[in-house]
Amino acid sequence: EAQVTQNPRYLITVTGKKLTVTCSQNMNHEYMSWYRQDPGLGLRQIYYSMNVEVTDKGDVPEGYKVSRKEKRNFPLILESPSPNQTSLYFCASSFVRKTGGTEAFFGQGTRLTVV
Amino acid sequence: ILNVEQSPQSLHVQEGDSTNFTCSFPSSNFYALHWYRWETAKSPEALFVMTLNGDEKKKGRISATLNTKEGYSYLYIKGSQPEDSATYLCAFMYNFNKFYFGSGTKLNVKP
Repeated sequence: EAQVTQNPRYLITVTGKKLTVTCSQNMNHEYMSWYRQDPGLGLRQIYYSMNVEVTDKGDVPEGYKVSRKEKRNFPLILESPSPNQTSLYFCASSFVRKTGGTEAFFGQGTRLTVV
Repeated sequence: ILNVEQSPQSLHVQEGDSTNFTCSFPSSNFYALHWYRWETAKSPEALFVMTLNGDEKKKGRISATLNTKEGYSYLYIKGSQPEDSATYLCAFMYNFNKFYFGSGTKLNVKP
């Protein structure tokens, strides 16, 4: 089954304690990205990756790091989490369709609380 | 950051009602417009990918139209059912790898 898997689904942590949220896709997609979703706002892109070892900042990258050592994995790293990073995080993988446009698949989300 | 607006923010309808929502986006540099259906605690699920001005897409009771020249898309649900209750997201793209999402329309269908 084609899917994007994020772990953990829920996480409560303390300010300053480094954490990693993993994301894995089994569809061999080149493009992967991370979003955060906050109440009243649309999903905002944190980082994206166009291929292995190719990553770039999205609209809200401050406080986050990513890596893309393998095509299937795209972990999100919070080196020193702060309470303003409390949010719902989504990982997505996507491909460009031959008929035009891009099709994206999303993970189930990780609800992070930083206290 | 590009501005993508959805209206209304929330909608409460009775089972059997038909409803529609709007997504407004920049009318220049258009690449694609997406509609997603998102149920709480689940992944957003793709409904439509629209790339051409005048596109009309349909999936069962749900349909969508696209006007890229004026920068809007409508999503219609005919004969709403309780299982249609979800948040409907639209996402604008000006290139192949960057989505700009609206804040969504939360639909609640009462039996």
